[in-house]
Amino acid sequence: SYDLTQPPSVSVSPGLTATITCSGNKLGDKYACWYQQKPGQSPVLVIYQDNKRPSGIPERFSGSNSGNTATLTISGTQAVDEADYYCQAWDSNTAVFGGGTKLTVL
Amino acid sequence: EVQLVESGGGLVKPGGSLRLSCAASGFTFSNTWMTWVRQAPGKGLEWVGRIKTKTDGETTDYAAPVKGRFTISRDDSEKTLYLQINSLKTEDAAMYYCTIERSGGRGLDVWGQGTSVTVSS
Repeated sequence: SYDLTQPPSVSVSPGLTATITCSGNKLGDKYACWYQQKPGQSPVLVIYQDNKRPSGIPERFSGSNSGNTATLTISGTQAVDEADYYCQAWDSNTAVFGGGTKLTVL
Repeated sequence: EVQLVESGGGLVKPGGSLRLSCAASGFTFSNTWMTWVRQAPGKGLEWVGRIKTKTDGETTDYAAPVKGRFTISRDDSEKTLYLQINSLKTEDAAMYYCTIERSGGRGLDVWGQGTSVTVSS
């Protein structure tokens, strides 16, 4: 089975840049997506096709994907960005999620 | 407004069965791939499976842990997605979300609020 690995937690100070990584074998050959989930809420898609933002997602969210690593970058991080973030990719007609990263803004 | 509303969750004994429903509105359901994702309490997201459109053969794909026990179906006339869960195990306890899947790597871009399944004797 295909695995995606994320750091369990990332901390960032308000106004600075947060970087969350997602590692998987030849992940750069697949499309990566990112989801944000706040406590008690359903996940929200924030990045698709590696680096595209759905309508309504702030410009401070960006993504990249190359080699074995996809990266979600949040520039000028705000307190409202504190949440769990999950990467996701497709492998052999199945979707795979990373284990999730808790982003703390402090 | 695009909306997905899940229902049918509840408390079930191990070995029991349950059918979850997801009522869709605000988009052309028959033209849309649909996916179920679950999340055990305090855990991460887990893809359950998907169903493609009738045009794409209504093909279904399932995650390995649920293959053979879970069945995804759709009723395009009722704009409803279903998840039949059989032989329930304690590890199936989770919030179950239905989502819209945009093909070509465009992600799961609309999620319902989820319906909770508890498995306990």
